[in-house]
Amino acid sequence: EAGVAQSPRYKIIEKRQSVAFWCNPISGHATLYWYQQILGQGPKLLIQFQNNGVVDDSQLPKDRFSAERLKGVDSTLKIQPAKLEDSAVYLCASSLPGLQETQYFGPGTRLLVL
Amino acid sequence: GENVEQHPSTLSVQEGDSAVIKCTYSDSASNYFPWYKQELGKRPQLIIDIRSNVGEKKDQRIAVTLNKTAKHFSLHITETQPEDSAVYFCAAADSWGKFQFGAGTQVVVTP
Repeated sequence: EAGVAQSPRYKIIEKRQSVAFWCNPISGHATLYWYQQILGQGPKLLIQFQNNGVVDDSQLPKDRFSAERLKGVDSTLKIQPAKLEDSAVYLCASSLPGLQETQYFGPGTRLLVL
Repeated sequence: GENVEQHPSTLSVQEGDSAVIKCTYSDSASNYFPWYKQELGKRPQLIIDIRSNVGEKKDQRIAVTLNKTAKHFSLHITETQPEDSAVYFCAAADSWGKFQFGAGTQVVVTP
């Protein structure tokens, strides 16, 4: 079974630039999550989708972050404009529909904002 | 919302010894508790999980215990090996299915 795919794996940008990350979940997984993992910390949920609808985006900085999952499969996360404090690993995870289902993580995108 | 605290932040053990990591949670409605292992530069991977209707679960050298009354759960690794060196994260899922992760424990197993 193929796992969660993410691209790019690494990205270096300057502050105030924009960046986009892409995620392809495990086939059949209706629920998709984007997490931010700052060095030395646990993953922090940014947004959760159920199919193409948003379930929870309470911790998404909406003034600069946006995410979409138009067809209920792939998802993109965008940052515009980026700040130095956005430097982190952005992890995508997916799970079967339902509460408290196991989440499977992608390899992450490591972002460095200079 | 849910708050998860994880201790210790670092744990150094001799190969063959046991390692124990503890997490506490705040939301009594939380009822799913997974543990993830993350090696340097790699994705978090589920190693074991427990649901609130069970007090203990074991898988070879790894076990998890849950005390719902005290709102804490622990990961136990026995007969540690160098390949157990990694960062371990606990998480608690609330009644809405939202995961709150602990800050992680860096485990170092020395030969």
